Amino acid sequence: QQQVKQSPQSLIVQKGGISIINCAYENTAFDYFPWYQQFPGKGPALLIAIRPDVSEKKEGRFTISFNKSAKQFSLHIMDSQPGDSATYFCAASKGSNYKLTFGKGTLLTVNP
Amino acid sequence: DVKVTQSSRYLVKRTGEKVFLECVQDMDHENMFWYRQDPGLGLRLIYFSYDVKMKEKGDIPEGYSVSREKKERFSLILESASTNQTSMYLCASRPPGGVPTYEQYFGPGTRLTVT
Repeated sequence: QQQVKQSPQSLIVQKGGISIINCAYENTAFDYFPWYQQFPGKGPALLIAIRPDVSEKKEGRFTISFNKSAKQFSLHIMDSQPGDSATYFCAASKGSNYKLTFGKGTLLTVNP
Repeated sequence: DVKVTQSSRYLVKRTGEKVFLECVQDMDHENMFWYRQDPGLGLRLIYFSYDVKMKEKGDIPEGYSVSREKKERFSLILESASTNQTSMYLCASRPPGGVPTYEQYFGPGTRLTVT
């Protein structure tokens, strides 16, 4: 059973455009929702994270939108740049549980 | 600066061999993880360890075992490598519970090919 569903699998955006990646979760006990960014040849690195007590969190050009009732959250990348080209993973965990449940990833390509 | 290192970037082994993948972190983290990453499947947790000599199975432990004799080192063992274990293996570590971000720090990965 896939607990975190991520879409789309791949995304191509022009430079300066907005990239949007969506995730949906099933377990209402999840209370921490991070996004990880992975460049080729590197391990994933934390990009931004949100807790369900807020509906939006912004860090520079990256914004997480969170809809608790719909059990969905999304990553918005404003003014997308070629340097943002990477694979993005959403994830979720509950309480102080050590485990992160990851989505399957989205390969983002930003064309110059 | 946080650092997680993995012993090999690329590894080629034969079917039936016993394979050791090593991971070392220098952050004094208690929690360490092994994932495998396959195209279209994302990151799947194999095993994790929340303290020295303590371990728990993740979502796909079959065919794998782990060892954690020292806090900084977490080893993944393929007892008898098979071709379906060809994959990218990622190690991660995390501070103990109670830290607000629960951030996991990843190593660069080991690409294992079993022929």
